[in-house]
Amino acid sequence: SQQGEEDPQALSIQEGENATMNCSYKTSINNLQWYRQNSGRGLVHLILIRSNEREKHSGRLRVTLDTSKKSSSLLITASRAADTASYFCATLNFGNEKLTFGTGTRLTIIP
Amino acid sequence: KAGVTQTPRYLIKTRGQQVTLSCSPISGHRSVSWYQQTPGQGLQFLFEYFSETQRNKGNFPGRFSGRQFSNSRSEMNVSTLELGDSALYLCASSLEGVRYGYTFGSGTRLTVV
Repeated sequence: SQQGEEDPQALSIQEGENATMNCSYKTSINNLQWYRQNSGRGLVHLILIRSNEREKHSGRLRVTLDTSKKSSSLLITASRAADTASYFCATLNFGNEKLTFGTGTRLTIIP
Repeated sequence: KAGVTQTPRYLIKTRGQQVTLSCSPISGHRSVSWYQQTPGQGLQFLFEYFSETQRNKGNFPGRFSGRQFSNSRSEMNVSTLELGDSALYLCASSLEGVRYGYTFGSGTRLTVV
């Protein structure tokens, strides 16, 4: 079963613009992680935010977490063609050691 | 350092056969997890091994099994293959567990015909 739902399912923007993806989840979490997947390949870990954190930055990435709304967002600034990929949020719940992935957002950057 | 290595990259099997997939984690990583990815169900957790012991298991039938060796390498086995088992199987490793994030391999694409 999937814990997270991502919105939008697909997003196309011009190179240089900012891209924002949202993730909602259902139960209390220990942390939330974002991953990127290039077509048909493995996932790459981007950033992790703990339940007691509200915002984190890593290079051109900014992640926010609102535990009261059970939602997170990933912002990619100054997008590049190489950012074209699917992006997944994944939640780690208390008491277990498995990540539950969302449905993903397919991001296309138009050169 | 070398990443997570999965072999083979592609596999075609016939219904009813069995298959074994292999995963070599990053050196020093003791936790190995397996995921199945399909267009319909997305990424689904299969199981996690830590120091040769299965620590977590997802909701898959008993046809799906795995093991981990003393060098942390892991294998997963699917017996009596069904068409619905066609998927990308991803292995991920971490130092102690998923708490700090995974490093994924490139996956094994299994097609059942």
